[in-house]
Amino acid sequence: NAGVTQTPKFRILKIGQSMTLQCTQDMNHNYMYWYRQDPGMGLKLIYYSVGAGITDKGEVPNGYNVSRSTTEDFPLRLELAAPSQTSVYFCASRGTSENEQFFGPGTRLTVL
Amino acid sequence: AQSVTQPDIHITVSEGASLELRCNYSYGATPYLFWYVQSPGQGLQLLLKYFSGDTLVQGIKGFEAEFKRSQSSFNLRKPSVHWSDAAEYFCAVDSNYQLIWGAGTKLIIKP
Repeated sequence: NAGVTQTPKFRILKIGQSMTLQCTQDMNHNYMYWYRQDPGMGLKLIYYSVGAGITDKGEVPNGYNVSRSTTEDFPLRLELAAPSQTSVYFCASRGTSENEQFFGPGTRLTVL
Repeated sequence: AQSVTQPDIHITVSEGASLELRCNYSYGATPYLFWYVQSPGQGLQLLLKYFSGDTLVQGIKGFEAEFKRSQSSFNLRKPSVHWSDAAEYFCAVDSNYQLIWGAGTKLIIKP
């Protein structure tokens, strides 16, 4: 049981490039979340999903897209990367009968 | 709107001293409350949670928190801190399957 896994751990992008951050959970959780954490700040919700095929915007969705084709996977897509997207990105999941969110180890992204 | 406030950005405590980190929330119904810890360069780990029942909840690593409805608070405590407790601590409230986060309190341990 690996929990929530994220790849890559680190990435440097040039302005205007695109990439996909991968997130997978093996706990059969319905709910999945993407957060970003800027230096010295708390977490801000980018997108979330309540089940396969259903996604919705969080607090800071601009510049990102998500999809949820399976229960396990919830990739985050960055199109046209900008320096403002330099951050640490965390994926999380939770089950329907639980209130606790389980977090992945994070992806540190730098846009230059 | 729901919100979580952690009034202290930084707290410095001597090793072996007691600790209290403050958390205040704004929420209309009975809240589900959480404390998470983030060690430098790491992800987030759940310390403890409150859903209902006993207002004093015990967590991992010797931490406890007390829910006080009258004060809309959920303060985190530890009787004696260790150098390994140096980390950032986040309070959060569950709101319709989403977590509303405080800005965090960075705990610094003096030797």
